[in-house]
Amino acid sequence: DVKVTQSSRYLVKRTGEKVFLECVQDMDHENMFWYRQDPGLGLRLIYFSYDVKMKEKGDIPEGYSVSREKKERFSLILESASTNQTSMYLCASSPGGAEGYNEQFFGPGTRLTVL
Amino acid sequence: GQNIDQPTEMTATEGAIVQINCTYQTSGFNGLFWYQQHAGEAPTFLSYNVLDGLEEKGRFSSFLSRSKGYSYLLLKELQMKDSASYLCAVRDSNYQLIWGAGTKLIIKP
Repeated sequence: DVKVTQSSRYLVKRTGEKVFLECVQDMDHENMFWYRQDPGLGLRLIYFSYDVKMKEKGDIPEGYSVSREKKERFSLILESASTNQTSMYLCASSPGGAEGYNEQFFGPGTRLTVL
Repeated sequence: GQNIDQPTEMTATEGAIVQINCTYQTSGFNGLFWYQQHAGEAPTFLSYNVLDGLEEKGRFSSFLSRSKGYSYLLLKELQMKDSASYLCAVRDSNYQLIWGAGTKLIIKP
């Protein structure tokens, strides 16, 4: 079974703090993604990566950065957390090549609250 | 702009059939996905359509009409465990997924 794990299920931070969300997948997938999910809105793509040390902006990259130093790990960084970044953050991975477009596997999510 | 529309919430009875619709306007089309998401859990893949027609997988079926920008997910013999949100997503010309807001399905005994 593909397993995508995220470092925390729940996280509470204060405004202005630097926040790290970690995601690890164990299936040697090339592609990794970070989304946020808010009530009444679809999943919104923050950043994605198709390879180690490679990153691409998604639809809402402002206020976020990412790091992919190893194939299995994709980190999301909030440089200075703000209250409007309170959300559910979902990490996903998929194989590269043609199959990579067929299914994304999701982690359990991190519910971040910024006070 | 790109848009995926699906009903916010639906209610159905255990043992019955329910159809969840999804309409889309996207820049290009490279497939449509349905995911299931139980409350507090990760989305899990249900189905994928890239050609017109019906794809059947057990109690779940998914239909696509590319000319109409329309899909539906059909759930038969509903069980209480089918209570979840169902997410429709379209892969656009850049191979990025555009997600609908999801349909919350409530199953009543």
